[in-house]
Amino acid sequence: EDQVTQSPEALRLQEGESSSLNCSYTVSGLRGLFWYRQDPGKGPEFLFTLYSAGEEKEKERLKATLTKKESFLHITAPKPEDSATYLCAVQAVEGGGSEKLVFGKGTKLTVNP
Amino acid sequence: DGGITQSPKYLFRKEGQNVTLSCEQNLNHDAMYWYRQDPGQGLRLIYYSQIVNDFQKGDIAEGYSVSREKKESFPLTVTSAQKNPTAFYLCASRDRGHGGYTFGSGTRLTVV
Repeated sequence: EDQVTQSPEALRLQEGESSSLNCSYTVSGLRGLFWYRQDPGKGPEFLFTLYSAGEEKEKERLKATLTKKESFLHITAPKPEDSATYLCAVQAVEGGGSEKLVFGKGTKLTVNP
Repeated sequence: DGGITQSPKYLFRKEGQNVTLSCEQNLNHDAMYWYRQDPGQGLRLIYYSQIVNDFQKGDIAEGYSVSREKKESFPLTVTSAQKNPTAFYLCASRDRGHGGYTFGSGTRLTVV
C-alpha cells in the first residue's frame, strides 16, 4: 500500500528563520511527487512536481528536492504570508492508469513576524 | 479564467437527507476526483472518473454516489447511508501540464 508521511505535523518559525519540511514515502513505483499549499478553508494550490531522484524545483522562497525515499520542502527566509499547511502527495505507476494521488496529512507552518 | 467551481461553499444536511455537491470545470480535463478532508487526516479519495460515463470507487466510497454525464461536471451525492458526513469536500481534475491536480475551493458539509 502506498503511504506518505509528513513531518513535523506543525512548525513555528520566526520571520527569516529558514527550515525544511519532510515528506517520506513508500510506493511500488513513483510516477511523480507533488507539493501543495493549502490556506484555511480553501482548496490546495499546486506548487511543484518532482519526477526522479536528484530533481530540484524552486519558486520564490521555496525549494523542493527529491530522493528515492523522501522529499524536502526548504523554506528560505520565510515571511508571515508563507503561513499555510503544506501537503505532499505521490502518484504511483500502476495498472489501469487511474493516476490517483495519495496524500500525507500535511505540515502546518506558522511564520511569526 | 479556467478553473474548477464547487458549490455551495457551505451546506447543512439534516439527518436522513441526501445532498448533492456540485463540481464544474472549464479546463477541458478528462479525469476528475472527489476527496474528503477531515481535521488531522490526509485527503481521502471518494470517487474518480477518467472519462465521461465512467467512474470508479476510491478508498471511502460507501455512502456516496457520483455521475459523469458531461465532461465538465462531476457531482457528488452524500446519501443518508453515510454515517459521518461532516467534512470538507474537495473536487479536483488532473492537469496534464504539471501532472497533478487542480482543486476547487471546496464545500464544507455539516450535519445538523
